[in-house]
This record gives sequence, structure tokens and C-alpha cells, in this order.
Amino acid sequence: GQNIDQPTEMTATEGAIVQINCTYQTSGFNGLFWYQQHAGEAPTFLSYNVLDGLEEKGRFSSFLSRSKGYSYLLLKELQMKDSASYLCAVRTYNTDKLIFGTGTRLQVFP
Amino acid sequence: SAVISQKPSRDICQRGTSLTIQCQVDSQVTMMFWYRQQPGQSLTLIATANQGSEATYESGFVIDKFPISRPNLTFSTLTVSNMSPEDSSIYLCSVGDSTQETQYFGPGTRLLVL
Repeated sequence: GQNIDQPTEMTATEGAIVQINCTYQTSGFNGLFWYQQHAGEAPTFLSYNVLDGLEEKGRFSSFLSRSKGYSYLLLKELQMKDSASYLCAVRTYNTDKLIFGTGTRLQVFP
Repeated sequence: SAVISQKPSRDICQRGTSLTIQCQVDSQVTMMFWYRQQPGQSLTLIATANQGSEATYESGFVIDKFPISRPNLTFSTLTVSNMSPEDSSIYLCSVGDSTQETQYFGPGTRLLVL
């Protein structure tokens, strides 16, 4: 079966660093995606990993370990506007469809 | 990046009625998907909209309840049939880009069934 786990909620302070973990067990793997979703809005693409290692994009970085079925999203220099839900999604092998985790609601406090 | 529009953006409907949601993309795409996001939850894939053939439905979703059309490579519709309050949700259209390294989402259709 398909299983993607993320913490439900996290809190952090403005200016700090936060790491949001995602573990997955899926029938095949063809890439892992992270999305940001503000309340009432559609998900916005943040990052894509298909090979092991770290992908850095400005304040956001995403890491993947395929052997461990594990990924994390690292947010640096947190800003209030980073308060949102962060969705981990896995694309299964040979398809384009995404299986989403439950999402992590991040609250950034001043 | 693909620009996706959806109509309507929101609607309030009576139980037992049906609503058709449209998804328009500004470029030709091979894969189009329909997702549902129930209040406070993550996204669940309803089906893959295939151009020129019947949609591929995920477990728990059936064609009679969620008929889908895909007449060309830039447009698709999802109908929510015989609605009940449990169908109250956000319905999102999604497309993949040519590199397959990202998927874009439309703005969503917010549906409330009374």
C-alpha cells in the first residue's frame, strides 16, 4: 500500500530554522515533491527530488534518501509569511500522479 | 510554467444536484489530474483525465459520481453528481510539465453542498 507520514503541526520562531520530515512507503518511486499551501489557496510547488541528496533553493532546501524512504524540507531564516501547510507528495513509478501526505501545518511566531 | 484556470471558483449547491467544474490550461499537456481536498485535510487524487479515452479513477471514486471529460490537451471537466453535504470540498485540477519535474495546480473550486 501507499503510506506517507508527516508531523501534523509544528511551531517555530521568526528568524529560526525548521525541518519538516516526511517518510514514505510506496509501490515504486519516481520523485518526491514539496508544496506550500496557504489557507484558502492552492498548493504552490517548492521542490522536487528524484536522486539522493540535498537540493537548495534560496531559503528552502529539500533532502532525499531513497534507501530510507525519507525526505525533509528545511526552511531557514523563517518569516511570518512562511506560516502555511507543507505537503509532501510522492510520484509512483511510471506514472505522473502524486500521492500526498497529510501535510504539516507550520506556525511561525514573532 | 503552466497557467491553469478553473470555473467556477466557488459555488453553493443543493443536495441532489450536479455541478460541472472546468479546467483550462494555457498550453498543451499530456497529463491532467483532478484532486479533492476536504476541509482541514490533504489532497486526494480522484482520477487522471486521459485525452481521447476514459478517465482512470482511484480507489473509492467512480465514474457515475465523478464523470470526467478531456476533449483536448488543454481542457477538462469534472462533474460532481447527485451531490450530498459530504461532497463539500475544494476540487483542484493539476497538470504536469514537460520535464516531469513539477506539477502545477489550478486555483481550485470551493464547493459547499447544503
